[in-house]
Amino acid sequence: DAGVIQSPRHEVTEMGQEVTLRCKPISGHNSLFWYRQTMMRGLELLIYFNNNVPIDDSGMPEDRFSAKMPNASFSTLKIQPSEPRDSAVYFCASRYAQGSIEQFFGPGTRLTVL
Amino acid sequence: QQPVQSPQAVILREGEDAVINCSSSKALYSVHWYRQKHGEAPVFLMILLKGGEQKGHEKISASFNEKKQQSSLYLTASQLSYSGTYFCGTERNNDMRFGAGTRLTVKP
Repeated sequence: DAGVIQSPRHEVTEMGQEVTLRCKPISGHNSLFWYRQTMMRGLELLIYFNNNVPIDDSGMPEDRFSAKMPNASFSTLKIQPSEPRDSAVYFCASRYAQGSIEQFFGPGTRLTVL
Repeated sequence: QQPVQSPQAVILREGEDAVINCSSSKALYSVHWYRQKHGEAPVFLMILLKGGEQKGHEKISASFNEKKQQSSLYLTASQLSYSGTYFCGTERNNDMRFGAGTRLTVKP
């Protein structure tokens, strides 16, 4: 298996632009997580899905952030409009079902908003 | 609520031991430990599910005291490859919260 795939790996954009981050979970995994990592705030859970359904989005910082999972093999995290403080590394992770099982992280997308 | 990790950073010589602690103000159902090397994604080390359980992975082991809501990660006879940032994660109903991390540096 190729593991969790994220694209793009790096994104540089200007303030006010829309940004879309993409994630393909490991085949067969039915839980998907989006995290944001910064030096100041560490690794934060933004939202997670079970069976393509958003379960908890309380970690999404603002209405500018939205996430979708239209099918079991694809998820997007969108920021519109983007701001410099959104600059961070965004990780997607997936795992089997619910319960206390390891999460497999993707390589991350490094976002820089100028 | 985020678990609290200590220490924030550790510097070791190869072969020395280290302990990283993780505590939570809420009841824990499980504790996850991950290691992240610079510029890479976090990689799973182990999960502890029961109170007082200990697990091991080569020379890295961990304990989980459910009553005290604490977990500790033990690295013995550290190797250069152990360098990285270690995160504990506490989970309730799929809601995973990570600690701020402990940066471990192993020097030759």
